Amino acid sequence: NAGVTQTPKFQVLKTGQSMTLQCAQDMNHNSMYWYRQDPGMGLRLIYYSASEGTTDKGEVPNGYNVSRLNKREFSLRLESAAPSQTSVYFCASRRERGGNRYTDTQYFGPGTRLTVL
Amino acid sequence: GDSVTQMEGPVTLSEEAFLTINCTYTATGYPSLFWYVQYPGEGLQLLLKATKADDKGSNKGFEATYRKETTSFHLEKGSVQVSDSAVYFCALTGNTPLVFGKGTRLSVIA
Repeated sequence: NAGVTQTPKFQVLKTGQSMTLQCAQDMNHNSMYWYRQDPGMGLRLIYYSASEGTTDKGEVPNGYNVSRLNKREFSLRLESAAPSQTSVYFCASRRERGGNRYTDTQYFGPGTRLTVL
Repeated sequence: GDSVTQMEGPVTLSEEAFLTINCTYTATGYPSLFWYVQYPGEGLQLLLKATKADDKGSNKGFEATYRKETTSFHLEKGSVQVSDSAVYFCALTGNTPLVFGKGTRLSVIA
């Protein structure tokens, strides 16, 4: 059982380049999330998708776009990377709808370490 | 909005020492509370959770009790091991996606 998978694991970009981080889950979960983790800041929510076809901004959405391609996949795009976007990015999923948003466990992928030069 | 405050680290303990990591929260309504653990180079994984007041979550020797009167969810373990070295995150969820504390790094030395 793969759970939540993310690609790539590592990426180095130059300022102004674009890229897409991929995330997929095989648990038939409805909700999916993108977080960034920076030293001393914990995890901050970038975007989330409560269900297929919907997306919502989180705490730090500027400079990012997302696509909920289908129920399994939720991608994060950086259109013009900046050094401030150097971070570790985590994708997560949670069952919800039909489950319980208060108690369902959120499962995390292994992360993508992104460096923008 | 909802928020979580946890003690700043790093915390360094000797093997078999007692561990407490403090966590307090601010939330409307009745959130569920979680502790996640992140081992070096890995993603986060759920350690334990509690979904209502006075519930105690427990796993791998760790415990935390949901205290509504003090809005706290402190993590404890009676005897830590070197393998417990990791970053620990307190989190809550209610009508919103998970909100995390900033994390506490624990180092256990033999």
